Amino acid sequence: DIQLTQSPSFLSASVGDRVTITCRASQGISSYLAWYQQKPGKAPKLLIYAASTLQSGVPSRFSGSGSGTEFTLTISSLQPEDFATYYCQQLNSYLSYTFGQGTKLEIK
Amino acid sequence: EVQLVQSGAEVKKPGESLKISCKGSGYSFTSYWIGWVRQMPGKGLEWMGIIYPGDSDTRYSPSFQGQVTISADKSISTAYLQWSSLKASDTAMYYCVRQYSSSWYPPFFDYWGQGTLVTVSS
Repeated sequence: DIQLTQSPSFLSASVGDRVTITCRASQGISSYLAWYQQKPGKAPKLLIYAASTLQSGVPSRFSGSGSGTEFTLTISSLQPEDFATYYCQQLNSYLSYTFGQGTKLEIK
Repeated sequence: EVQLVQSGAEVKKPGESLKISCKGSGYSFTSYWIGWVRQMPGKGLEWMGIIYPGDSDTRYSPSFQGQVTISADKSISTAYLQWSSLKASDTAMYYCVRQYSSSWYPPFFDYWGQGTLVTVSS
């Protein structure tokens, strides 16, 4: 199975900060990676697919990059509504997918 | 508008059976894979398995193979997740998801149901 490791697991930041979350895969997954945002008590929401493509309706302050085994999600200027938990997901193994353990982004 | 609407919360006892549902609307139900994702209390997301309602092709995560059954009834655009004998450790929120697939992009989960909370307690 392909494992995904996110870092950091917890991140404390302020409104206006630029933050980066990393997701590392245990083996190469090309660009078969998605990022999701989950707020407490809500279903996750797709932010980025194909490693770097912004889902329709998602603010442009979110961006994704990477290929192979290392990926990043960047929020260029944190807004109050961005404090949430973020997950990466690999969809490279045919119909056998895994999520990272999550990164909780908290207000400093 | 694409929607996945899940059945309501359930409270069950260990050993009981359960079937929860996910009804799709606003798109061609038979043309997209529908998956299930578990989230145990305070924990992360776990992919359980997926079904293609068009032909009922089903795949399971090794962690969930034999523990649950995924099915679909395309006549009513509904997917199901079922247990034959629940355990306390099945207590979790369960989400259904639609997988978008194309020749141009890797797949991704573009729509999520609202979640069904399953509580198993004696």
